[in-house]
Amino acid sequence: GQQLNQSPQSMFIQEGEDVSMNCTSSSIFNTWLWYKQDPGEGPVLLIALYKAGELTSNGRLTAQFGITRKDSFLNISASIPSDVGIYFCAGRRSSNTGKLIFGQGTTLQVKP
Amino acid sequence: NAGVTQTPKFRVLKTGQSMTLLCAQDMNHEYMYWYRQDPGMGLRLIHYSVGEGTTAKGEVPDGYNVSRLKKQNFLLGLESAAPSQTSVYFCASSYSMAGEAYNEQFFGPGTRLTVL
Repeated sequence: GQQLNQSPQSMFIQEGEDVSMNCTSSSIFNTWLWYKQDPGEGPVLLIALYKAGELTSNGRLTAQFGITRKDSFLNISASIPSDVGIYFCAGRRSSNTGKLIFGQGTTLQVKP
Repeated sequence: NAGVTQTPKFRVLKTGQSMTLLCAQDMNHEYMYWYRQDPGMGLRLIHYSVGEGTTAKGEVPDGYNVSRLKKQNFLLGLESAAPSQTSVYFCASSYSMAGEAYNEQFFGPGTRLTVL
């Protein structure tokens, strides 16, 4: 089945640094979503994007819906230790089933 | 509200055994989903349901069955467990607006299953 290509697979950064990750697909999506998964928990929605070119922020997080509708980017500014976790992108084509296709995830570790 | 709950949290099975994972949500959501999460694979959809009494196959349905007899519950069954089904299983739900699924899926805490 189709999966989204998410990169990088993992990041180990110093507290205070900015982080960038992205997701690409060979197909067009109508909606892009970014989730975060804390260790031992289920994913939680961070940001949802609905239009090509849309740029949306949630605190220190900023995400963009690519113009081609085949990619999306997530940036985290001034990282802190609680940013540790796995970040997933997810894309959706149709809304009548709500089915999402997830990327492989980016594991983020932050060194205090 | 408890949100989405899953039972059990952990389970170890022997090859060939059967079991049922229970997902319950108290948010009156129409849509429910079962995913499995494996290292480096992200979340893959096993089965989903768009309403009480309806189910459909997702990306990786083989070896699993589901039932949605009540709106608030979505059961995932393994009839004859195999080591390849060792994974972390997540249930999720979402509500609908005007007959369409809303974007945010709310996830449960997961069930960690090991098949020996």
